[in-house]
Amino acid sequence: EIVLTQSPGTLSLSPGERATLSCRASESVSSSYLVWYQQKPGQAPRLLIYGASSRATGIPDRFIGSGSGTDFTLTISRLEPEDFAVYYCQQFGRTFGQGTKLEIK
Amino acid sequence: QVQLVQSGSEVEKPGASVKVSCKASGYTLTNYGVNWVRQAPGQGLEWMGWISPYNDNTNSAQKFQGRVTMTKDTSTNTAYMELRSLRSDDTAVYYCARGKQLFDEFDIWGQGTLVTVSS
Repeated sequence: EIVLTQSPGTLSLSPGERATLSCRASESVSSSYLVWYQQKPGQAPRLLIYGASSRATGIPDRFIGSGSGTDFTLTISRLEPEDFAVYYCQQFGRTFGQGTKLEIK
Repeated sequence: QVQLVQSGSEVEKPGASVKVSCKASGYTLTNYGVNWVRQAPGQGLEWMGWISPYNDNTNSAQKFQGRVTMTKDTSTNTAYMELRSLRSDDTAVYYCARGKQLFDEFDIWGQGTLVTVSS
């Protein structure tokens, strides 16, 4: 089973800064099936990025997905207050990473 | 409006079963599959399984095989997930989520159902 490892576990930044979140797979993953979700406390996850780099409907263009093979990245170009949340990557509609908590510094 | 609405919280004893419902609106379950994902308190997301939109075929994570049953009722546009032989570590929020095919992204999520297993 493919294991997804996200880093860092917690990222402390200020609004306006750039966030870079990493998702590393234990073996190569098809980019077509690498997905990112955002989850805020008490809420269901929300789809952000599918196919490694395509934004879901209504997702602002400050969210940028990239990567291939075993290394994938979610970049938030300029943090807004509503972006502070937990982010999960997922592969093949199955395994999730353990999550990265993005908190306000 | 496309949405998934789940049934309410449940409290069950160890060894019992629980059945969570997930009613789709704004689209039909015959066009999109349904995934089930759970999240233990303070923990991450765990995929449990998926039911096909075209028939009753299911695919579940190995850890849940033999203990989970996923079904759907197309007449009411509702999907169901039953988990048997409950243990305390099954305490979690259970989500249904729309995914067209088995490996596709989950674009619509239900609000979650808290299942508490306690004696």
